[in-house]
Amino acid sequence: GAVVSQHPSWVICKSGTSVKIECRSLDFQATTMFWYRQFPKQSLMLMATSNEGSKATYEQGVEKDKFLINHASLTLSTLTVTSAHPEDSSFYICSARAIGGQGRETQYFGPGTRLLVL
Amino acid sequence: AQSVAQPEDQVNVAEGNPLTVKCTYSVSGNPYLFWYVQYPNRGLQFLLKYITGDNLVKGSYGFEAEFNKSQTSFHLKKPSALVSDSALYFCAVGSGNTGKLIFGQGTTLQVKP
Repeated sequence: GAVVSQHPSWVICKSGTSVKIECRSLDFQATTMFWYRQFPKQSLMLMATSNEGSKATYEQGVEKDKFLINHASLTLSTLTVTSAHPEDSSFYICSARAIGGQGRETQYFGPGTRLLVL
Repeated sequence: AQSVAQPEDQVNVAEGNPLTVKCTYSVSGNPYLFWYVQYPNRGLQFLLKYITGDNLVKGSYGFEAEFNKSQTSFHLKKPSALVSDSALYFCAVGSGNTGKLIFGQGTTLQVKP
């Protein structure tokens, strides 16, 4: 149980285009999903908290107009990198927390999406 | 402010030997602590967590961790390392009800045959 998928697993795009990444909880419902960014050999940086049916909460320094987050259902959150630039190239990872869980519930992570912007 | 420190960038052990990956934390209030493992180009896999109760927590793949409140530590241990345990390990801490986790910088575990 507690499987989280991400699609696509990797994407290469031209500078200026937008890229959408999907995060799905496959066998549980998630009221809250989190989006992280990870640079090579570095830790995870929380970008935003995505709550079903409401606006995402962004961490300080993360541009909400650049990284659009939508959490339309209890099993799906999407991250859209708008007008991508080479500095947006990174490994993006989502996680999901089960419905009804309090803050101490386990986050289950997706396999990540590798984005390369040329 | 919450923080997590993993003081070792890399830990090297021989297969069959015990391993320890260190983690210390700083939070206000009661912490809840996690260990995750990451294999190359993959997401994080949950290993174990401490919320309340016994200080010794047992997790997946034979790993365990001991919560030490006085030393604010949550070291990951395994009695006998396997080559397949070689990966990147992250300690994370949270507090309150936001669900947000703060991750340590990660420790690369290298188990040699």
